[in-house]
Amino acid sequence: QKEVEQNSGPLSVPEGAIASLNCTYSDRGSQSFFWYRQYSGKSPELIMSIYSNGDKEDGRFTAQLNKASQYVSLLIRDSQPSDSATYLCAVIKYSQFYFGTGTSLTVIP
Amino acid sequence: DTGVSQNPRHKITKRGQNVTFRCDPISEHNRLYWYRQTLGQGPEFLTYFQNEAQLEKSRLLSDRFSAERPKGSFSTLEIQRTEQGDSAMYLCASSSPALELFFGSGTQLSVL
Repeated sequence: QKEVEQNSGPLSVPEGAIASLNCTYSDRGSQSFFWYRQYSGKSPELIMSIYSNGDKEDGRFTAQLNKASQYVSLLIRDSQPSDSATYLCAVIKYSQFYFGTGTSLTVIP
Repeated sequence: DTGVSQNPRHKITKRGQNVTFRCDPISEHNRLYWYRQTLGQGPEFLTYFQNEAQLEKSRLLSDRFSAERPKGSFSTLEIQRTEQGDSAMYLCASSSPALELFFGSGTQLSVL
């Protein structure tokens, strides 16, 4: 079983809409959760970190964590074409960061 | 520039040759990680250091791969006797005390 599972997509949303990206993880002991954005040919860039149940908002981004369901999500409000990228979910387990395969998002102008 | 720095950006080599990559982490970060990423996949853990100590190495990592971090500063990743399956993006990252991981721009390796 993989540590982190993501729907690979692709996910397409119109400009201005809300994009919803989802991730599940296998180890209930995982404490820290992260979302990274990766443009084609570039390295991953940290967007959000979340450590406790509930929502965490940063600008147009909201991360949601539900430890009981082992579920992490990322909402992108007012999606822009520049948000088109692959979004990677990551969790920490024993000082190692485990990444999902990423969800490809396309925002259509 | 205070980010993670990797060199070279691109490396093309022939099968059987040795290659070495360098990573300079963010100066105040004591943890340094190496990952490998292929198209359509997430970064795959290779190894990590805390200061100069190599604390963990992936079980999937061939003996042809070795990493060092002398003096707990920069790190090198060497691949001996490269194979075509080694072609990938090699990513270095360092982590803050809050355990947030910051990546360098990566080294794209192509083995011909």
